[in-house]
Amino acid sequence: GDSVTQMEGPVTLSEEAFLTINCTYTATGYPSLFWYVQYPGEGLQLLLKATKADDKGSNKGFEATYRKETTSFHLEKGSVQVSDSAVYFCAQLNLNAGGTSYGKLTFGQGTILTVHP
Amino acid sequence: SAVISQKPSRDICQRGTSLTIQCQVDSQVTMMFWYRQQPGQSLTLIATANQGSEATYESGFVIDKFPISRPNLTFSTLTVSNMSPEDSSIYLCSVEGLLITDTQYFGPGTRLTVL
Repeated sequence: GDSVTQMEGPVTLSEEAFLTINCTYTATGYPSLFWYVQYPGEGLQLLLKATKADDKGSNKGFEATYRKETTSFHLEKGSVQVSDSAVYFCAQLNLNAGGTSYGKLTFGQGTILTVHP
Repeated sequence: SAVISQKPSRDICQRGTSLTIQCQVDSQVTMMFWYRQQPGQSLTLIATANQGSEATYESGFVIDKFPISRPNLTFSTLTVSNMSPEDSSIYLCSVEGLLITDTQYFGPGTRLTVL
C-alpha cells in the first residue's frame, strides 16, 4: 500500500545552518508529493508541492525535488531561522491515471525541527 | 485568501459524552476531509465528506462513533460519540482545491481532551 517514511527526529540546528529532512514514499499510482508545516499550537500549512518526476517545489527558502528513481522528496533549506522551528510532515496524494485525486493524503510521521539562535 | 475555521478550538470533555466539531469554509468546495492527530503522532484520515452523499470512512473508523454531516458546500460537522480518553486528539478538517487543484488545505484544528 501507499506509505511515507520520514527521517527520525527531532532535529536540532543552529541558526543559519543547512537543513535536510529526508522523505521517501511507496505508491501504487501517480502521487503528488507535499511538505506541510505545523507551527506550535497551529494547524497544518502547505509549504510546497510537486506533481511529477523532476518537479521542484519551493517556498520561503525551502525546496524539495520529486525523485522518481529514488522515490524521494527530501526537504532542504540553505539557512534556517529560529522561526522555522516547527513540525514538518511529508505527504503524498495518490492520483488516478486520469490525474484526478483519490483524496486521501498519506502522511509521514513528522519531524520536529528546533532552531537555536 | 480563503479561510477555513473550526469550532471549538479546544474542549475538555467527560468520558461517555459526545462533542460536535464544526468546519466552515468561506468558499464552496466539493471535497472535505476529517483527520485525527493523536498526541505526538501523524495525521490519519477519518473520512471523506462530499455534499449530497454519505461520508466515506477509512478502515478503523465507523459512522456510529464518528458521524459526519455535510449539509452544503461550505460546512461540515464531525461528532465524536461516547468519548473515552483514547479519543483525546487534535481533529482537523481539510478541503481540496481552494487555491491549487489536487491540494488539501487544513483548518486550525480542534484540540480535544477526554477525562
